[in-house]
Amino acid sequence: LAKTTQPISMDSYEGQEVNITCSHNNIATNDYITWYQQFPSQGPRFIIQGYKTKVTNEVASLFIPADRKSSTLSLPRVSLSDTAVYYCLVGALNSGNTPLVFGKGTRLSVIA
Amino acid sequence: DAGVTQSPTHLIKTRGQHVTLRCSPISGHKSVSWYQQVLGQGPQFIFQYYEKEERGRGNFPDRFSARQFPNYSSELNVNALLLGDSALYLCASSYSPGQEGEKLFFGSGTQLSVL
Repeated sequence: LAKTTQPISMDSYEGQEVNITCSHNNIATNDYITWYQQFPSQGPRFIIQGYKTKVTNEVASLFIPADRKSSTLSLPRVSLSDTAVYYCLVGALNSGNTPLVFGKGTRLSVIA
Repeated sequence: DAGVTQSPTHLIKTRGQHVTLRCSPISGHKSVSWYQQVLGQGPQFIFQYYEKEERGRGNFPDRFSARQFPNYSSELNVNALLLGDSALYLCASSYSPGQEGEKLFFGSGTQLSVL
């Protein structure tokens, strides 16, 4: 599995756009990228997933450059409730035997 | 629709005891994974089961075991508890492991404290 590297922490003011970049230099051809959000004492929650280019849903956007060696989670106009830990995961398509591995994540603090 | 349910939510044990944690996946999901999360760290993979068979095992001692039942629910057992086993134990379900675009759905976890 490709190892991921993320910033340990980030701070942002309410209403700003937040971009969290994840590095996965050894990503394989059949790997996809998934981001999860976790609040204290809760399980992680799926945010967004992509393979290449750009994916957007009602919560966030995911930008993946052509070489796929990194990805950027973009959270538009964050609020205090977006304060959480964000994890970037790389997982193999149709693997069946390769579990998803979490790193330490990025702790986002949103300030009023 | 019910999400992933875990029981109990909190548990206090003493060193040397045994514990059983339970997980019910989302209806229709056939894969269950267990993770251990120590405060300040990301979740660490323990086991993955699919169709009642073990599909993956993390770097945990043999004191940790699990099984999946015909209804796809799962149990995680930990024997001879150590202080270091204190953690949040998370269960996640998915339709199929490694399925294209697999997404894990997590329960709220069981907070285990070993005294």
